Parts: sequence; structure tokens; C-alpha cells
Amino acid sequence: EAGVAQSPRYKIIEKRQSVAFWCNPISGHATLYWYQQILGQGPKLLIQFQNNGVVDDSQLPKDRFSAERLKGVDSTLKIQPAKLEDSAVYLCASSVLMTSGTSTDTQYFGPGTRLTVL
Amino acid sequence: SQQGEEDPQALSIQEGENATMNCSYKTSINNLQWYRQNSGRGLVHLILIRSNEREKHSGRLRVTLDTSKKSSSLLITASRAADTASYFCATGWMDSSYKLIFGSGTRLLVRP
Repeated sequence: EAGVAQSPRYKIIEKRQSVAFWCNPISGHATLYWYQQILGQGPKLLIQFQNNGVVDDSQLPKDRFSAERLKGVDSTLKIQPAKLEDSAVYLCASSVLMTSGTSTDTQYFGPGTRLTVL
Repeated sequence: SQQGEEDPQALSIQEGENATMNCSYKTSINNLQWYRQNSGRGLVHLILIRSNEREKHSGRLRVTLDTSKKSSSLLITASRAADTASYFCATGWMDSSYKLIFGSGTRLLVRP
């Protein structure tokens, strides 16, 4: 079974530039998550999708961050414009959506995209 | 703020020794999970313990959960150099949807 795919693996940009990250979840996983992991900290949830709908984006800085999952499969996370404090690893994860409508407990993570903002 | 806090922040042991990491959290949970993160890689799920369970084993891993103290521990027995990684506890709970809140992690170094 293929895992969660992310690209690019590394990105270096200057502040005020824009950047986009791509994620392809495990086939059949309806729930998709984007996390931000700052160096030395645990991952922090940015946004959660079920199929192509947003379930939780309460921690997404909506003035500069946006995410979409148009066809309920792949997802893109964008930052525009980037700030120095956005330097972090951006992790995508997916999980199975139960027939009850809730996601299973275990999340499967991709390798992440390491963003450096200069 | 993050739900779980791990202790210690860093741990260095000799190969073959046991490693114990602790996690404390603040609110009620449905379950608690432990994840491992190797340098430069994503997180890998290790084990999940539900709120009505007290202890769980998986290979060389042993997890305990004390909901009265809002704490959990992860024991890795007979450690190997390959166990060198960061270990995170994550508390799972239901709000409008199922959420995982990660702690700050314990960095484990296993010396050959």
C-alpha cells in the first residue's frame, strides 16, 4: 500500500513570496489533515478535510494560508505572503472515514515539506 | 497550547537499556497515541491506548495510561540504535470531529 505522498520535500523562499505544497493521501482515505511542525515542537493541526469539505480550520491563519481539496483526493496548501515565522515542516496526514461518519483514530503521515523562509 | 507534554525533553541511553518517556495532558480524552519521528521523516504511529484501558503492549513497547492522573508512559525495552528518534504523545478527543493534539516530544538517543 502506497503511503501519503508530499511534494516538494524542501523549499526555500524569501519572505513575502508565495509557496504551495501538495499532498496525495493513501487511496481510500477520506479524511486529510495538514499540520505545521516548528522545530523542536510537536505538529499543530492547521486544517482537516473530510472528502472535499472542511471540518476544522480553526487554527489556520486565513489571512495568509489557504488550502483546498477540490476532488476529495489530492490537496494543496498555500502560503501567501510568507513570513519568517512560517519556517517549519508541513505535514500531511490521512485517515479512514468510518461509515458512522467519524474518522478512525490512526493517522498516516507523509514525509513532510521543510519550508525555510529567508 | 498543546495538550500533551512529554518528560524528559531529551534522553540518552546505552543500547540494550530500557527507555521510559512520560506524557501528561490536561483534559478528558478518548484515547492516547504514541508516534515516532526519525530525523527528516514523517511521523509513524506506534501504539494507541483507549481511555478505558490501563496498559497495552506491542512488541518491545509498553504503554500505560492513568486517566485519574492524566498521564501516560511509553517504555521501550532492550533499546536499539535504530530506536533513536523523537517520540510524541498525542491525545485524541471528539469535538465536532475527531482531533489529535500532539505534545512537544522526547528526543531519544540510543548509543551503540
